[in-house]
Amino acid sequence: DAGVTQSPTHLIKTRGQQVTLRCSPKSGHDTVSWYQQALGQGPQFIFQYYEEEERQRGNFPDRFSGHQFPNYSSELNVNALLLGDSALYLCASSLPLPGTGRNTIYFGEGSWLTVV
Amino acid sequence: RKEVEQDPGPFNVPEGATVAFNCTYSNSASQSFFWYRQDCRKEPKLLMSVYSSGNEDGRFTAQLNRASQYISLLIRDSKLSDSATYLCVVNPNSGNTPLVFGKGTRLSVIA
Repeated sequence: DAGVTQSPTHLIKTRGQQVTLRCSPKSGHDTVSWYQQALGQGPQFIFQYYEEEERQRGNFPDRFSGHQFPNYSSELNVNALLLGDSALYLCASSLPLPGTGRNTIYFGEGSWLTVV
Repeated sequence: RKEVEQDPGPFNVPEGATVAFNCTYSNSASQSFFWYRQDCRKEPKLLMSVYSSGNEDGRFTAQLNRASQYISLLIRDSKLSDSATYLCVVNPNSGNTPLVFGKGTRLSVIA
């Protein structure tokens, strides 16, 4: 059973360009969350998708947008890239544990984005 | 006040030492607490969940004090392979609410 997979693993973009990152959740997981981790910081929540809808959003500008497909896979799009967008972008998939109110969360290996 | 605050680190300790990490959280209604381990240039991986007053897993012990809004992680008999960044993580609500991460504390275990 494959875990959470992300692509690409590394990429370099120029300021002002646009980027799309992709995530395939763990099998059976219907909820996908995206996090941004800048160097020396903890991951920061960007947004979460469930049933193809953005369900929750963190404190990120509208330049950050996403999508979830019927097979639960997801994309993160960032427009008008800034140098400060350079970071590790992590995708996490989760599935609630029945009757517990808890959920098991799995992270992908991340996509390293460098903006020059 | 930041939502989750950790010791700034880094911690440099000899093999075999006992090391403790401390973390405080600001949301008193927080439901779930975790310690994640992150190796250099890798994704965070769950080390321990802390759901009640604390739990132990081999050399690792996690403690939760809800009254003080404080979480700790103790590593006994540290190994070279324990070298990593340790992230304190809080789930403010139950279920699929987003996780809130601390900044992490870097540990280097030295031979």
